[in-house]
Amino acid sequence: SQKIEQNSEALNIQEGKTATLTCNYTNYSPAYLQWYRQDPGRGPVFLLLIRENEKEKRKERLKVTFDTTLKQSLFHITASQPADSATYLCALDTETGANNLFFGTGTRLTVIP
Amino acid sequence: ETGVTQTPRHLVMGMTNKKSLKCEQHLGHNAMYWYKQSAKKPLELMFVYSLEERVENNSVPSRFSPECPNSSHLFLHLHTLQPEDSALYLCASRKDRTYGYTFGSGTRLTVV
Repeated sequence: SQKIEQNSEALNIQEGKTATLTCNYTNYSPAYLQWYRQDPGRGPVFLLLIRENEKEKRKERLKVTFDTTLKQSLFHITASQPADSATYLCALDTETGANNLFFGTGTRLTVIP
Repeated sequence: ETGVTQTPRHLVMGMTNKKSLKCEQHLGHNAMYWYKQSAKKPLELMFVYSLEERVENNSVPSRFSPECPNSSHLFLHLHTLQPEDSALYLCASRKDRTYGYTFGSGTRLTVV
């Protein structure tokens, strides 16, 4: 069956450290992989998109890697701040079939001052 | 505001009521979506309208019915809902597959 698993439901990290979140998938062939941030009671906000032929993408303090052999994406936040505390979702687009994304359950990140 | 506006933000309805959720975008996006978000579950796709074609998740009960009168507006009509339908309902849009979704703030629905 198809699965998208995000490493842990919750992750606590000290301010200033690098947070690393994992997204593993099974029985998908994604053409694109995306990461979103979601604050409580709000809709997710798009952060980064990486294509299957790209290994790494960066945006300010954010870095995403995509390994189609391992079927895994890593999402890094460097120099983490309390304001980075939120739930982070990964999502896959297979580029075939219906025009929609498949989401993981998310990892709730808490950055401790 | 994200560019995708959802109304109402909160809705409490009885099981015999009929209500509608509204979503509006003026971003020029070509696809619009309804997702359901329940606690501890991934976002669940309900309906897609893409270039005026409708695609739906076959597991969505018929008590939910979408309407997309034009490329900027999307509705979700609700009738005879059950308490387990209580959730956050999110509307999203996107330009094409090389872009991320823009989500609205959601409607928190409670069925009593």
